[in-house]
Amino acid sequence: GAVVSQHPSWVICKSGTSVKIECRSLDFQATTMFWYRQFPKQSLMLMATSNEGSKATYEQGVEKDKFLINHASLTLSTLTVTSAHPEDSSFYICSARSGEGFYNEQFFGPGTRLTVL
Amino acid sequence: AQTVTQSQPEMSVQEAETVTLSCTYDTSESDYYLFWYKQPPSRQMILVIRQEAYKQQNATENRFSVNFQKAAKSFSLKISDSQLGDAAMYFCAYRSPQGAQKLVFGQGTRLTINP
Repeated sequence: GAVVSQHPSWVICKSGTSVKIECRSLDFQATTMFWYRQFPKQSLMLMATSNEGSKATYEQGVEKDKFLINHASLTLSTLTVTSAHPEDSSFYICSARSGEGFYNEQFFGPGTRLTVL
Repeated sequence: AQTVTQSQPEMSVQEAETVTLSCTYDTSESDYYLFWYKQPPSRQMILVIRQEAYKQQNATENRFSVNFQKAAKSFSLKISDSQLGDAAMYFCAYRSPQGAQKLVFGQGTRLTINP
């Protein structure tokens, strides 16, 4: 299958700082990218959906000013956690899809573990 | 809005035996897609199997098969000849063919394989 990478794989930051997480589709063009948050032993919670060149669509309850998403190209999306606080510590997963048909599989990145001290 | 329910937080099975993971969903749509994903300890999400709702034939992928009951809105996963590498969290997911086609995940089932 296609490959989606995330960088960094883990990051530790101080409270109040901003952290940027990159998500890249390595061998296909991603028309749509998704960002998820996963707490320990829980399911994936969708944060936002982004299409290349458009503003991201955030799920209800997700602060768009805190979690800035940019989908500048067909292979790159970034999630910036602004003014991070300990409650933002979590596992963040991105995924990417090349189209909208049944056979357009949604491929997942390996995730980024964020720890805010 | 669609919802997906996995009522078994944990399951265990002896190596080489068969196990079935349950999943039910709620939707008013007549056409949709259903998926089972595996998340091993590495936390990399892996697609196990997928099913289109308008296809009555149950999907199969090697040792993995589904029992899709559209009227009952049930989509269970059967793993045959369980192997140690099957140990993981398994998530059932629903995807609408409309709009952004977001995946809606169930709560997950943690599967343990006993040697």
